[in-house]
Amino acid sequence: DAMVIQNPRYQVTQFGKPVTLSCSQTLNHNVMYWYQQKSSQAPKLLFHYYDKDFNNEADTPDNFQSRRPNTSFCFLDIRSPGLGDAAMYLCATSGSMDTQYFGPGTRLTVL
Amino acid sequence: DQQVKQNSPSLSVQEGRISILNCDYTNSMFDYFLWYKKYPAEGPTFLISISSIKDKNEDGRFTVFLNKSAKHLSLHIVPSQPGDSAVYFCAASPGGATNKLIFGTGTLLAVQP
Repeated sequence: DAMVIQNPRYQVTQFGKPVTLSCSQTLNHNVMYWYQQKSSQAPKLLFHYYDKDFNNEADTPDNFQSRRPNTSFCFLDIRSPGLGDAAMYLCATSGSMDTQYFGPGTRLTVL
Repeated sequence: DQQVKQNSPSLSVQEGRISILNCDYTNSMFDYFLWYKKYPAEGPTFLISISSIKDKNEDGRFTVFLNKSAKHLSLHIVPSQPGDSAVYFCAASPGGATNKLIFGTGTLLAVQP
């Protein structure tokens, strides 16, 4: 009974080749988040959706985009991955409370 | 500017003893605090939280203490078990509808059998 699912768990892409990471949830939460986490660092919020309302963090590069076609799904698109984009990408959801529930993450490798 | 700080990157404790993980924050607007536990190659798992209107919250072996005047919170695990070995992240939220979280850099807890 997984609640926040991320696919794939591991993604390898080439420098400059677009890649899409997906997240789905069974919690029916109205807020979904994407975080980037590099080794030994804190998870860093990239953007979030409140329902269909998209909110970008000020320092999120334009290279990162997101789509939320419905309540259950959210996608992270990296248009031209660079070596510095190699990281763990975490999806999270929250409902009316402050607690966020995370998926297992997607480990992105850029060759 | 790191608004949430976990100054100890690692902590080693004997099984059965108390583990104390610390977290400091700088923004007095934070009103909700959470601890997450993370195993390698997995996402963070929610552990326990505390609202700024409280100074203590307990859940089984886990207790979180909040000292607002010092802008400090701590997580106590008693008794510590080898399965508690993981990275622990402190997170803070200024509240609001979207519940944005600011995370610390984590503390790696190793519980020795």
